[in-house]
Amino acid sequence: NAGVMQNPRHLVRRRGQEARLRCSPMKGHSHVYWYRQLPEEGLKFMVYLQKENIIDESGMPKERFSAEFPKEGPSILRIQQVVRGDSAAYFCASSPAGTGTDTQYFGPGTRLTVL
Amino acid sequence: GENVEQHPSTLSVQEGDSAVIKCTYSDSASNYFPWYKQELGKRPQLIIDIRSNVGEKKDQRIAVTLNKTAKHFSLHITETQPEDSAVYFCAAGTSYGKLTFGQGTILTVHP
Repeated sequence: NAGVMQNPRHLVRRRGQEARLRCSPMKGHSHVYWYRQLPEEGLKFMVYLQKENIIDESGMPKERFSAEFPKEGPSILRIQQVVRGDSAAYFCASSPAGTGTDTQYFGPGTRLTVL
Repeated sequence: GENVEQHPSTLSVQEGDSAVIKCTYSDSASNYFPWYKQELGKRPQLIIDIRSNVGEKKDQRIAVTLNKTAKHFSLHITETQPEDSAVYFCAAGTSYGKLTFGQGTILTVHP
């Protein structure tokens, strides 16, 4: 059973470009969470999605950031017009259900560098 | 919203000693408290978790205690080894699975 997959593992973008991060949850998991980790800091919640639904986006910046989890395919975190402050590690996690007591398994992360 | 405070920020111990990391949380609705270990450049990995219906859980050298009245929980590592060196994060979970993380503790175990 493959774990949570993320790609790309490393992404370099110039200011103003778009970054697209992908997350494939573990088999059988239908709940995806995105977290951001700035250098030397902890993980900050961004968004929680189920298939075709955004459940909680309270941690998402109001502009330039969007997320989706389509019926088919991976979850996508999209950052438009990137700025240097977007440089961070972006982790997704998946769980089998959203009851609040189910383990979240993390992917290897995408390290975004904005030049 | 939930706020999780974690202490200490750094912890240095000798191999074989015990290490204790403490966290407090603010939202009494939180009912799930996992601990993650993160090595440099790697993903956070769950090492142990506890749910609100128990006060203590142990897995070999690792144990976690929870005091819901005081809203704090602690990680205990006994007989530490150099490979335990990493950053440890506590977290508190809300009813729909969102996790709020502490700031992390850098644990260094000296041989």
